[in-house]
Amino acid sequence: GQNIDQPTEMTATEGAIVQINCTYQTSGFNGLFWYQQHAGEAPTFLSYNVLDGLEEKGRFSSFLSRSKGYSYLLLKELQMKDSASYLCAVMDSNYQLIWGAGTKLIIKP
Amino acid sequence: IAGITQAPTSQILAAGRRMTLRCTQDMRHNAMYWYRQDLGLGLRLIHYSNTAGTTGKGEVPDGYSVSRANTDDFPLTLASAVPSQTSVYFCASSLQGGETNGYTFGSGTRLTVV
Repeated sequence: GQNIDQPTEMTATEGAIVQINCTYQTSGFNGLFWYQQHAGEAPTFLSYNVLDGLEEKGRFSSFLSRSKGYSYLLLKELQMKDSASYLCAVMDSNYQLIWGAGTKLIIKP
Repeated sequence: IAGITQAPTSQILAAGRRMTLRCTQDMRHNAMYWYRQDLGLGLRLIHYSNTAGTTGKGEVPDGYSVSRANTDDFPLTLASAVPSQTSVYFCASSLQGGETNGYTFGSGTRLTVV
């Protein structure tokens, strides 16, 4: 079956760095996405990785290792507004997204 | 309209009633999707449409139907609502199927079936 695993909840301190991990087992792989979802709102697109390595976009970076079925989202210089759920999703062989349950990130002052 | 509009924002529905959730986009995206989001679970695809006039079944299609008469609109119908259909429903769109620039999501419809 297809499976996306990510931690349910993480806590970090304002100004610090946090890494949110995602492991996946899917039928085919056409890229991995990260989305941010604030409570009660719609998901918004953060990043897309299809090749191994690190993609940096401002305070957010995303890493992919296809051989390990592993990705992480790195958030630097955490701000209170980064408190949200972070969703990992893999595009499978049918070009449909398979979603993880999301990681709720709590930022403390 | 800018992006995707969903209506209603929330609804309480009696079991057995028919309900249509509306979704309209103004970005001329070819592909559209309906997801449900339940606590502790990832977004699950109900139905999708890669272009006007075509639709396909997702992971959890039972009890739901869709139509795509034109590019902009993608309504989701519950023929006879059951309590297990209580969820938050998100409509999304992308320029094309398999889009790597991400999906745009509507703000969601919170549906409670009693």
